[in-house]
Amino acid sequence: DAGVIQSPRHEVTEMGQEVTLRCKPISGHDYLFWYRQTMMRGLELLIYFNNNVPIDDSGMPEDRFSAKMPNASFSTLKIQPSEPRDSAVYFCASSLEGPSYEQYFGPGTRLTVT
Amino acid sequence: KQEVTQIPAALSVPEGENLVLNCSFTDSAIYNLQWFRQDPGKGLTSLLLIQSSQREQTSGRLNASLDKSSGRSTLYIAASQPGDSATYLCAVYTSGTYKYIFGTGTRLKVLA
Repeated sequence: DAGVIQSPRHEVTEMGQEVTLRCKPISGHDYLFWYRQTMMRGLELLIYFNNNVPIDDSGMPEDRFSAKMPNASFSTLKIQPSEPRDSAVYFCASSLEGPSYEQYFGPGTRLTVT
Repeated sequence: KQEVTQIPAALSVPEGENLVLNCSFTDSAIYNLQWFRQDPGKGLTSLLLIQSSQREQTSGRLNASLDKSSGRSTLYIAASQPGDSATYLCAVYTSGTYKYIFGTGTRLKVLA
């Protein structure tokens, strides 16, 4: 299996622009997670899906962030409009058994908002 | 609110040394605890998962222990190698929050 795939790997954008991050989970994994990692706050869960349905979005920082999972093999995290404080590494992870079990992480997308 | 602390933040050891990484958490009502490895510019790799009913887990040169009552876990690495150089993160899944809370990690460097 190719593992969790994320694109793009790096994104540089200007403040106010829309940013879309993409994720393809491991085939057969019913759980998908979006995390954000920063030096100040460490690694934080933003949202997770089970069978394409958002279960917990309490970590989404504000309305500028939205996430969708239109099918079992694709998810997006969108930021509109982007701000410099959104600069971080965004990870997608997937799990076969559930949020408390082993999670497999993608390589991350490094986002820089200038 | 669960808080996870990892000390030290960075550690440098000569090759071959046995070492211990520490993780402490404030809420003992945990469900699972995981140790992850993160290499620069890459995602996290799960190393060991300990369920709350377990005291330890082993995988190769790695051994993780869990003491819920004292709010501590340790990751023991035997005979360290330069390839072990990475950041190690501990994450705690608490019964009330239903998500993993991550520590800030210990950055390990094993010198050849």
